[in-house]
Amino acid sequence: QKEVEQNSGPLSVPEGAIASLNCTYSDRGSQSFFWYRQYSGKSPELIMSIYSNGDKEDGRFTAQLNKASQYVSLLIRDSQPSDSATYLCAIPSGGSYIPTFGRGTSLIVHP
Amino acid sequence: EAGVAQSPRYKIIEKRQSVAFWCNPISGHATLYWYQQILGQGPKLLIQFQNNGVVDDSQLPKDRFSAERLKGVDSTLKIQPAKLEDSAVYLCASSPPADTQYFGPGTRLTVL
Repeated sequence: QKEVEQNSGPLSVPEGAIASLNCTYSDRGSQSFFWYRQYSGKSPELIMSIYSNGDKEDGRFTAQLNKASQYVSLLIRDSQPSDSATYLCAIPSGGSYIPTFGRGTSLIVHP
Repeated sequence: EAGVAQSPRYKIIEKRQSVAFWCNPISGHATLYWYQQILGQGPKLLIQFQNNGVVDDSQLPKDRFSAERLKGVDSTLKIQPAKLEDSAVYLCASSPPADTQYFGPGTRLTVL
């Protein structure tokens, strides 16, 4: 059974702080890892993908992958109220391109 | 580039009625997905098409759900008869083969 686990939150951070979102997964064969952002009432949009251990930075977003510990994180620096959304971790099982989604973590950035 | 189109955006029906959703993927995208997203959960894959063939429908409740993708472009998802627990957002996504998915706006279904 493929499992992708996320804390549903909400995670509340002040504007300008670093928001840290975490995801653990069960399939050691997974090779690719995705973070989607979903605003309330909207559809998911891909914001980050990571394929190898370590960090990947894109603007204010940093994805961190640790395959040995089977977790992937998303850091959002200088958080803005516009970052308030649900962040979904999505991980295909080994050999598949179809991601299994976590339940998502709700992030609230307050002014 | 036009995105994934879905209709209707909202639908309210009574249990035991039938309903159909329509999806038009991004032009040139061979792969099409239907997801069900229940409130507070992540999207769950119902069915994946590659052109007009089914790749994965292992999580589709086949006693009441059906989907087709005639001619390998547009797709319809049907529920007959609907149950209360089918209330959810139904998301269509498309992608080039083995590549990133792009989601449509979704259809919010309420079953009373």
